[in-house]
Amino acid sequence: DAGVTQSPTHLIKTRGQQVTLRCSPISGHKSVSWYQQVLGQGPQFIFQYYEKEERGRGNFPDRFSARQFPNYSSELNVNALLLGDSALYLCASSPAGSSPLHFGNGTRLTVT
Amino acid sequence: TQLLEQSPQFLSIQEGENLTVYCNSSSVFSSLQWYRQEPGEGPVLLVTVVTGGEVKKLKRLTFQFGDARKDSSLHITAAQPGDTGLYLCAGTNAGNMLTFGGGTRLMVKP
Repeated sequence: DAGVTQSPTHLIKTRGQQVTLRCSPISGHKSVSWYQQVLGQGPQFIFQYYEKEERGRGNFPDRFSARQFPNYSSELNVNALLLGDSALYLCASSPAGSSPLHFGNGTRLTVT
Repeated sequence: TQLLEQSPQFLSIQEGENLTVYCNSSSVFSSLQWYRQEPGEGPVLLVTVVTGGEVKKLKRLTFQFGDARKDSSLHITAAQPGDTGLYLCAGTNAGNMLTFGGGTRLMVKP
């Protein structure tokens, strides 16, 4: 079975632009979470979705938004990009809201 | 805000040596997980500890959860180059939202 897949793998954007990152969970997994990992640091929680509803939100500005689709895939949107948004964005899925997480390999976003 | 502090941040050792990584918090967690992350990849779950004082072994890796469920340690015996990577601890409480530590970057030289 395929693991969590994220696209694109790498992305370069300019300050002020908007970006959309995509995530396909493991088949049968209904919960998707997003994490931001700045270079040299541990991941920070951004959002959790379960059955298409937002179940949790981390300490991130409103420029960050996400949604989950009926097929349980998810998108993370970031508006008005700042240099500090440069990071590895990780998506993780689980069968239910409290099961162990399975992480994808991330999208490396560089903001110039 | 719940915080997890890992120490050391960096560790470079020779093959065959033993090492311990620590994960400490002032907050109580319902469970604690350890992950290993290699360059270009996402974190991979190694173990989950739930009960205070719990000890789990995974081959040469020994994980312990503190009695008060505020801290944890990872001990590696006879480290091998294949153990090289970033080790992350993460605590959970409500739901499945993980609070990660800053990570310990381990390099094992042949």
